[in-house]
Amino acid sequence: GENVEQHPSTLSVQEGDSAVIKCTYSDSASNYFPWYKQELGKRPQLIIDIRSNVGEKKDQRIAVTLNKTAKHFSLHITETQPEDSAVYFCAASETNTGNQFYFGTGTSLTVIP
Amino acid sequence: DVKVTQSSRYLVKRTGEKVFLECVQDMDHENMFWYRQDPGLGLRLIYFSYDVKMKEKGDIPEGYSVSREKKERFSLILESASTNQTSMYLCASSFAGGIPEAFFGQGTRLTVV
Repeated sequence: GENVEQHPSTLSVQEGDSAVIKCTYSDSASNYFPWYKQELGKRPQLIIDIRSNVGEKKDQRIAVTLNKTAKHFSLHITETQPEDSAVYFCAASETNTGNQFYFGTGTSLTVIP
Repeated sequence: DVKVTQSSRYLVKRTGEKVFLECVQDMDHENMFWYRQDPGLGLRLIYFSYDVKMKEKGDIPEGYSVSREKKERFSLILESASTNQTSMYLCASSFAGGIPEAFFGQGTRLTVV
């Protein structure tokens, strides 16, 4: 099955700096890569996703890049704000045969005011 | 707005008890999932279901079973609760095709004493 690795496990940045979280996956059949944000005590919520036919996607201060050849994808948050503090999970899924999601182990991001 | 609702936010059960965790979604999603969330281990898939009465084992099915008698409801059963099943349990649902985004419930914090 799919194996998703995520780094770093914790990340602290100063407010206004950028944050980058990286994930690798093992199954070349995976074609959908979402990122979830989980604030303390709340449910994970989708913040951005990318499909395998796209190399980069941006939504305001967040962006995701995908390198299919190297099997890795990254989340970039620019101009970080204290409300960006949360746990972020990457995931990989193969949508043609079942949509099972494989999650990384999470990154706890702290933005220091 | 998609709603995935878990029956309990907090549960305390005794070792050896049979425990039922219920999840209901209102978006007619084909896929439903049960995850276990533990610090440093991310979201680990216990079971998922892609249709009524259909189920597939995830990465950590031992000690658990599931039931899906109706499309909107997916139940996780701990046949004989043990202390190592103390954890946060998250239910999720998604469409089988189209937009594959997974929507999560609010989680059930289960403590087995």
